[in-house]
Amino acid sequence: EDQVTQSPEALRLQEGESSSLNCSYTVSGLRGLFWYRQDPGKGPEFLFTLYSAGEEKEKERLKATLTKKESFLHITAPKPEDSATYLCAVQSGAQKLVFGQGTRLTINP
Amino acid sequence: IAGITQAPTSQILAAGRRMTLRCTQDMRHNAMYWYRQDLGLGLRLIHYSNTAGTTGKGEVPDGYSVSRANTDDFPLTLASAVPSQTSVYFCASSPTGANQPQHFGDGTRLSIL
Repeated sequence: EDQVTQSPEALRLQEGESSSLNCSYTVSGLRGLFWYRQDPGKGPEFLFTLYSAGEEKEKERLKATLTKKESFLHITAPKPEDSATYLCAVQSGAQKLVFGQGTRLTINP
Repeated sequence: IAGITQAPTSQILAAGRRMTLRCTQDMRHNAMYWYRQDLGLGLRLIHYSNTAGTTGKGEVPDGYSVSRANTDDFPLTLASAVPSQTSVYFCASSPTGANQPQHFGDGTRLSIL
């Protein structure tokens, strides 16, 4: 059974304080690992797809990396507008996404 | 703006009533999905459709039904609502079912009393 575990559950940072969010997974044949951002009262917004170990993707202050067992979402010099819940999901041969429970990130000015 | 439209945005419903949540996409995506999101449990797949005319069961399909008469619409029906179906429901779509990101609507907040 595919499983995704995200840590920490919640993270509070000061503006400019860089950190990383973790997504550990077990899957039978990874077809893709996806990162989403979710703001309160909104649907998840797609950020990145990673397909193979060693792959990296960047967008503004965010960088996602992938190994065979986990993915990290690195946030560099975050701003208050980066506050959101970040979701990780994996897709296996079943073609359906399995989501982690998310990390709630708060950036204080 | 292209995307997914869900309706209603919120609803309070008496237990035992029938309810249909609507989902329409204008991106001409083949695959569509319904999820529910509950505190502590994350997003869980209810039903999916890889293409018009076909549907499949997800992780938590009991008490829900779907239909896919055309590419754009994917309604979710609760035949006889129960309090445990209180949740936020999200519809999503992707170009195909494989290896591609899903794009989500803003959800329907449903309370069953």
